Amino acid sequence: SAVISQKPSRDICQRGTSLTIQCQVDSQVTMMFWYRQQPGQSLTLIATANQGSEATYESGFVIDKFPISRPNLTFSTLTVSNMSPEDSSIYLCSVEPNTGELFFGEGSRLTVL
Amino acid sequence: GQQVMQIPQYQHVQEGEDFTTYCNSSTTLSNIQWYKQRPGGHPVFLIQLVKSGEVKKQKRLTFQFGEAKKNSSLHITATQTTDVGTYFCAGSRFTNAGKSTFGDGTTLTVKP
Repeated sequence: SAVISQKPSRDICQRGTSLTIQCQVDSQVTMMFWYRQQPGQSLTLIATANQGSEATYESGFVIDKFPISRPNLTFSTLTVSNMSPEDSSIYLCSVEPNTGELFFGEGSRLTVL
Repeated sequence: GQQVMQIPQYQHVQEGEDFTTYCNSSTTLSNIQWYKQRPGGHPVFLIQLVKSGEVKKQKRLTFQFGEAKKNSSLHITATQTTDVGTYFCAGSRFTNAGKSTFGDGTTLTVKP
């Protein structure tokens, strides 16, 4: 298993601003994943954060909107840039310490006004 | 792209009744995982299925992976109020789960 800490747990932001979400894991992992869960919806993978290389983005998500940092094997950040109300979601950090098992942080609930 | 469909979307049961949710993939999967998300919480890993026709049990929960590795089910026997939440399946074409496609989830409510 893995213990994942996310900050902030929730925030209310103004349209046009940016917010950076932090994810800290209690063990070293090769890949960290960032998911979005819109209200009442399922989970959608935004990108995979790789240590030492550029993040890999899924279709529909771009680096300019969701820049990601991965400075070491236990930490990553996701920035939601130039926010609009449509970005109101829960953003979840996830790791796979054992093959086939995803562990999630508690999520960062973002509301954009 | 890969699609994972899950039914039903909602299920309301009386405590003690059984519950089943079904998951179907548009493509053959390498593995499928199941997660539970309590209201206001985050998804919690329940189990991974890898082999064709595999059946795994966790107390009152029974998980099945279809022979063609394109469908799966989760069955809960004699539901309890602690079973409430949304159950998601997630299918991956790869060994790793990180790029899994999640189903839309089945939200279970249990009336005491």
